[in-house]
Amino acid sequence: DIQMTQSPSSLSASVGDRVTITCRASQGISTFLAWYQQKPEKAPTSLIYDASTLQSGVPSRFSGSGSGTDFTLTISSLQPEDFATYYCQQYNSSPFTFGPGTKVDIK
Amino acid sequence: QVQLQESGPGLVKPSDTLSLTCTVSGGSISSRYWSWIRQSPGKGLEWIGYISDSGGTNYSPSLKSRVTISLDTSKNQFSLRLNSVTAADTAVYYCARTYGSSTFNFDLWGQGTLVTVSS
Repeated sequence: DIQMTQSPSSLSASVGDRVTITCRASQGISTFLAWYQQKPEKAPTSLIYDASTLQSGVPSRFSGSGSGTDFTLTISSLQPEDFATYYCQQYNSSPFTFGPGTKVDIK
Repeated sequence: QVQLQESGPGLVKPSDTLSLTCTVSGGSISSRYWSWIRQSPGKGLEWIGYISDSGGTNYSPSLKSRVTISLDTSKNQFSLRLNSVTAADTAVYYCARTYGSSTFNFDLWGQGTLVTVSS
């Protein structure tokens, strides 16, 4: 199985801050990577797929980059509704696996 | 718009079978692949398996011996059966949609249903 790691595991930030979350795969996955946002007691929602393609309806302040083993999710200007937990997921090969999550909370 | 809704018992006894159904509303179950994913505090998000619109399946090796995913196109539903459950199977279970082929990101999720395994 491909193992996914994320850093940091949590961070505190203020509204308006630029936030970057890193995801690393245990082996190369090309650009077969997705990012999700999850708020408490809610299902995850899709933000980005194919490493950098924004899901329809997702604000442009979210962006993704990377290929191979190293990926980043960037929120250019953090908004109040962005405080949540973010997960990466690889779909290069089955079983599809998720990272452990990065919790973004208010400083 | 398309919505997914999980249904099934919230409490299952150890060694019994967990059975959940996902109903797809507002759209057809055709031309997409459909997955089950679970989330527990101890293991995070875990993909269980998928079924294609033609009935082909792919399961996580860690659960393959206990899992069956099936499709009922007449009802626009797909289902999960997990045999011989233990407390480790306690989790929120989500159904989700993917494009399939080479694109297995989950673009639409159900709200999730908590299943507790306890006597």
